[in-house]
Amino acid sequence: DAGVIQSPRHEVTEMGQEVTLRCKPISGHNSLFWYRQTMMRGLELLIYFNNNVPIDDSGMPEDRFSAKMPNASFSTLKIQPSEPRDSAVYFCASSFGPFGTEAFFGQGTRLTVV
Amino acid sequence: AQSVTQLGSHVSVSEGALVLLRCNYSSSVPPYLFWYVQYPNQGLQLLLKYTSAATLVKGINGFEAEFKKSETSFHLTKPSAHMSDAAEYFCAVSDQTGANNLFFGTGTRLTVIP
Repeated sequence: DAGVIQSPRHEVTEMGQEVTLRCKPISGHNSLFWYRQTMMRGLELLIYFNNNVPIDDSGMPEDRFSAKMPNASFSTLKIQPSEPRDSAVYFCASSFGPFGTEAFFGQGTRLTVV
Repeated sequence: AQSVTQLGSHVSVSEGALVLLRCNYSSSVPPYLFWYVQYPNQGLQLLLKYTSAATLVKGINGFEAEFKKSETSFHLTKPSAHMSDAAEYFCAVSDQTGANNLFFGTGTRLTVIP
């Protein structure tokens, strides 16, 4: 398996533009997580899905952020409109099974909003 | 609620010296605990995990961690540091309430001095 695949790896956009980050989880995994990593706040969970259903989106910063998982093999995280403070590395991770199973992370998308 | 605290955001050791990275957890139920490593510009990779079997857990790259319930600790150790161990290390605890979400510590950056 190729692991969790995220695209793009790098994104530079202007403030106010819409940004869409994409994630393909490992085949067969039933949980998917979006994290944001910054120097100031470390790793923050934004939202996670179980069997394609959003379970907890309390970590989503504000209404400018939205996430979807239309099927088991694809998820998007959208920011509209983007702001400079959204600059961060965004990670997608997936896992399968009962408690105690680890999450597998993608390589991340480094987002810069100028 | 589950959480972890990593003591020391930066640790420096000499090549060949003992590595000790500290993690204390807080959990209302018997925890599942993880250590992840992040190399520059990479995603997180699992080093090892504790899931209530043996209290001494061996992981990849010569790392191990010991679960100590009396101290609520799960410190990561390696007898002899290599230059290639320079990275950021994250301790995490599983929430065990649904989709196996992980709560991460703030991370410890390990520097290995030649």
